[in-house]
Amino acid sequence: AQSVTQPDIHITVSEGASLELRCNYSYGATPYLFWYVQSPGQGLQLLLKYFSGDTLVQGIKGFEAEFKRSQSSFNLRKPSVHWSDAAEYFCAVGLSGYALNFGKGTSLLVTP
Amino acid sequence: DGGITQSPKYLFRKEGQNVTLSCEQNLNHDAMYWYRQDPGQGLRLIYYSQIVNDFQKGDIAEGYSVSREKKESFPLTVTSAQKNPTAFYLCASLPSRRDLNTEAFFGQGTRLTVV
Repeated sequence: AQSVTQPDIHITVSEGASLELRCNYSYGATPYLFWYVQSPGQGLQLLLKYFSGDTLVQGIKGFEAEFKRSQSSFNLRKPSVHWSDAAEYFCAVGLSGYALNFGKGTSLLVTP
Repeated sequence: DGGITQSPKYLFRKEGQNVTLSCEQNLNHDAMYWYRQDPGQGLRLIYYSQIVNDFQKGDIAEGYSVSREKKESFPLTVTSAQKNPTAFYLCASLPSRRDLNTEAFFGQGTRLTVV
């Protein structure tokens, strides 16, 4: 069955530290891959997406993600976290013709 | 500016009542989606529509109904058959269901509380 897994429910990092959020998927074919961010009580904002080509994708707000086909992973990274990055992060996976399938999310807490 | 508007932002209803959540988009998108979000559960697909007058069930359609009479509107009705309706509901749209090579736009959500 197709699935998206975000292994970390909560992550706490200090402001200025680096960040990596994990995402693994199980699909028969290589899907489209997305990372979204959600502030409390708000909708979702797209951070970045991958369809093909360069496996390192740059997004907004200083985020990047790397697609690793051999590991079926699409991990999100940021070199230096800011307090305003505290939010819920969702990995989403899709195939053409089908709705996006979301992971359960990772809640990021940033400490001073 | 183009976007998706969900209304109301907060909705309270008594148990056993049907309630309709509004989703309107002025992006000229063909595909529209309803997701339900619960803490720790991510987003689960309720219904989606690819064109006017056509829609399909998602993973958790029981207790919900939709209509797509106009391209820009995709209202969701939470019926009394939905056993646990209290949740955050998100509406999204894409130019077409096959057009994932673009950004899915999301509304700001409606938080439904059934008392």
